Amino acid sequence: GENVEQHPSTLSVQEGDSAVIKCTYSDSASNYFPWYKQELGKRPQLIIDIRSNVGEKKDQRIAVTLNKTAKHFSLHITETQPEDSAVYFCAWGDSNYQLIWGAGTKLIIKP
Amino acid sequence: NAGVTQTPKFQVLKTGQSMTLQCAQDMNHEYMSWYRQDPGMGLRLIHYSVGAGITDQGEVPNGYNVSRSTTEDFPLRLLSAAPSQTSVYFCASSYGQGRKTQYFGPGTRLLVL
Repeated sequence: GENVEQHPSTLSVQEGDSAVIKCTYSDSASNYFPWYKQELGKRPQLIIDIRSNVGEKKDQRIAVTLNKTAKHFSLHITETQPEDSAVYFCAWGDSNYQLIWGAGTKLIIKP
Repeated sequence: NAGVTQTPKFQVLKTGQSMTLQCAQDMNHEYMSWYRQDPGMGLRLIHYSVGAGITDQGEVPNGYNVSRSTTEDFPLRLLSAAPSQTSVYFCASSYGQGRKTQYFGPGTRLLVL
């Protein structure tokens, strides 16, 4: 069935360094790729999304890139800060207009 | 706007008991959905609704029922609770399916003994 692979499951980086999380999807017809952030004990919230008509989108320190040929998209966080510590979920919109979710990446920012 | 609200925040049930998790939104969103979140498994779709009077099954619907009598409310019913239903349940809403921003409620933590 349809799925999304998300890697790594845990990522530990030094404060100030960059973090990259990658997701691979299976439906070549998909054209919507959001990223959600979930802080401990809180609800998931959208932080950035991209549609297939663009290859990259930036919002301050975060960016998402999309490679439709390889069917993968990535979240990039630069100059990481303590408040970036959270679980990040990727998702993609399938041909039935449902969101298929990755298993999540726990990002740890070391002081 | 209150956004998406859920009650209760926490619930303990005994095996075999039934209960209803409440979800309401005040954003006039057409699409509402229920997810369960288990450690290391991300978000799994239980049921969803594209509008009042219309519901459909998601990835893991067994043991759960839903109804959508109004645009605002989308309750989730556990028919006969089992320990495997111990999880955190999130309700979400959006203007449309899939390719729109999902707004999540604060979650309900359910423990089934």
